Amino acid sequence: SQELEQSPQSLIVQEGKNLTINCTSSKTLYGLYWYKQKYGEGLIFLMMLQKGGEEKSHEKITAKLDEKKQQSSLHITASQPSHAGIYLCGAGLGTSGSRLTFGEGTQLTVNP
Amino acid sequence: GAGVSQSPSNKVTEKGKDVELRCDPISGHTALYWYRQSLGQGLEFLIYFQGNSAPDKSGLPSDRFSAERTGGSVSTLTIQRTQQEDSAVYLCASSLSGPYGYTFGSGTRLTVV
Repeated sequence: SQELEQSPQSLIVQEGKNLTINCTSSKTLYGLYWYKQKYGEGLIFLMMLQKGGEEKSHEKITAKLDEKKQQSSLHITASQPSHAGIYLCGAGLGTSGSRLTFGEGTQLTVNP
Repeated sequence: GAGVSQSPSNKVTEKGKDVELRCDPISGHTALYWYRQSLGQGLEFLIYFQGNSAPDKSGLPSDRFSAERTGGSVSTLTIQRTQQEDSAVYLCASSLSGPYGYTFGSGTRLTVV
């Protein structure tokens, strides 16, 4: 099984709707990172969360970290077509904390 | 340079041939990582270089895969006797130290025919 589980695997929403993507770890988290990827491109850094209860926002995207649950959520408010892409969470896990382990990604489609 | 540069951006090769993929990290970044992303899959860790330390090769899928990092800067990932299952996007990332502030390149899309 995956060390980082993302849900849902894919999401189709109407423009203007809110949505949430979750990332759950089976191991102790040492920092949680959210990235966005568009087809044929590399990963673009969105946010880093380090402390339990931490919440960060950038434009209409908010991410939270629940250290006890070993879980993070990414919330997009009033989605736009420009939000479409693959969202990946990454984390330093356990003894391999010097590198990031990634979830399988969530494919987001926003229909105009 | 301003970002992580990878070349080539696309590579089509015949099964059984060797390929070399190049990664030019951000100047001053001591950590360099290679990942592989297969269709519909997440990122699979391959290898990690940190300064002058011995690289973490624990993610390399077989002995056909190897990587070097010369002078603490440019890295080359070599795949020998390529197989069709090697087809994927190979992504390189660099950081100042450890996982903080990973910056990714745009990747090399490898297709083995």
